Amino acid sequence: KQEVTQIPAALSVPEGENLVLNCSFTDSAIYNLQWFRQDPGKGLTSLLLIQSSQREQTSGRLNASLDKSSGRSTLYIAASQPGDSATYLCAANFGNEKLTFGTGTRLTIIP
Amino acid sequence: NAGVMQNPRHLVRRRGQEARLRCSPMKGHSHVYWYRQLPEEGLKFMVYLQKENIIDESGMPKERFSAEFPKEGPSILRIQQVVRGDSAAYFCASSPAGTGGYNEQFFGPGTRLTVL
Repeated sequence: KQEVTQIPAALSVPEGENLVLNCSFTDSAIYNLQWFRQDPGKGLTSLLLIQSSQREQTSGRLNASLDKSSGRSTLYIAASQPGDSATYLCAANFGNEKLTFGTGTRLTIIP
Repeated sequence: NAGVMQNPRHLVRRRGQEARLRCSPMKGHSHVYWYRQLPEEGLKFMVYLQKENIIDESGMPKERFSAEFPKEGPSILRIQQVVRGDSAAYFCASSPAGTGGYNEQFFGPGTRLTVL
């Protein structure tokens, strides 16, 4: 069964710290993986997309990596800010045109 | 280029009524996906459609739920005889055609359905 897991479910860090969010998946035959941000009661904002042929993608203070052999992706956030507080979701595309989502990590940045 | 549009943004229905949720994909996108997010749960795939075709409906409940994506107009997710357990946020996503599963999906703002 193709599954995506995100641990921890919640994370609090002081403002200014760098942090890493984790995502694991059960099938190494992954086509791509997307990281999203979701604010309470809002929709999904796409942050980064990593294709299976790539090892990482960067956008501003965000860096996402993909390791198919170990079934892991990480989202690195540098110099965290209170505005980064949100739920972060990872979603894997296993080639069947549908995204399989993790349950998310709720991030709180403490001013 | 406008993003994925969904309406209504909020929908309230009483038990037994019908709910119709609409999704207009991004311009040039011909693939539409519907996902459901139950309270305190992750997003779950429901159905994948291309124009006039349902490609994968493996995540759709067997009864009361249907989806379409006509040649003209938005995609419609229809829920008949709603029950309280249907209360959720329903998200639509779209992607451009034909790169064999490598497409990025772009999400709409969602429709929040509340069943009284």
